Amino acid sequence: AQTVTQSQPEMSVQEAETVTLSCTYDTSESDYYLFWYKQPPSRQMILVIRQEAYKQQNATENRFSVNFQKAAKSFSLKISDSQLGDAAMYFCAYRRSPMNYGGSQGNLIFGKGTKLSVKP
Amino acid sequence: DVKVTQSSRYLVKRTGEKVFLECVQDMDHENMFWYRQDPGLGLRLIYFSYDVKMKEKGDIPEGYSVSREKKERFSLILESASTNQTSMYLCASSSGQGAGEPQHFGDGTRLSIL
Repeated sequence: AQTVTQSQPEMSVQEAETVTLSCTYDTSESDYYLFWYKQPPSRQMILVIRQEAYKQQNATENRFSVNFQKAAKSFSLKISDSQLGDAAMYFCAYRRSPMNYGGSQGNLIFGKGTKLSVKP
Repeated sequence: DVKVTQSSRYLVKRTGEKVFLECVQDMDHENMFWYRQDPGLGLRLIYFSYDVKMKEKGDIPEGYSVSREKKERFSLILESASTNQTSMYLCASSSGQGAGEPQHFGDGTRLSIL
């Protein structure tokens, strides 16, 4: 079974600095998707960034980028120029591809999360 | 924007009660999910549905059931609530267009069972 591990329960970063959140996963599949979700305090969980495993190029979304190391099964999230609004729980998630109806293959498997604090 | 609406942000119920948590999405998504979120455990899938009247068990279905009579609505039912079901419950939906499609989440329902 696939598993997702986030080894840092809590992280802290100074405003305007850069921080990297770690995520590793275990799978025997060759094709899959990886996601980072953000959950601000008492607010809705939203997608930050996603990566398709068959794409070599690391995904980027403005100040957010990933370091995807397929052989090492590592998917870290880098937040540049950290802002106070980046403070949140961050969840790494895995989904097998392709999605098959009628089974659990399309479900997301989440890590336990990393709580990020941003200091002014 | 996709909107996933959960009927209650906070809910307090008593042990043994039958509890209904409602979720509605407005994007005609095929897939809907119920998760439970507990500190230190992340999100765990309770049930999901990929079509009307279709449902599949997730990782922790015991003590729960679901209903999907209409495409936009997915209900989670606690048949006989127990204190160990006190938790944050998140509903999500996604389109059926591919595995890369993200899930869209509701605000969550914080349920306390006394």
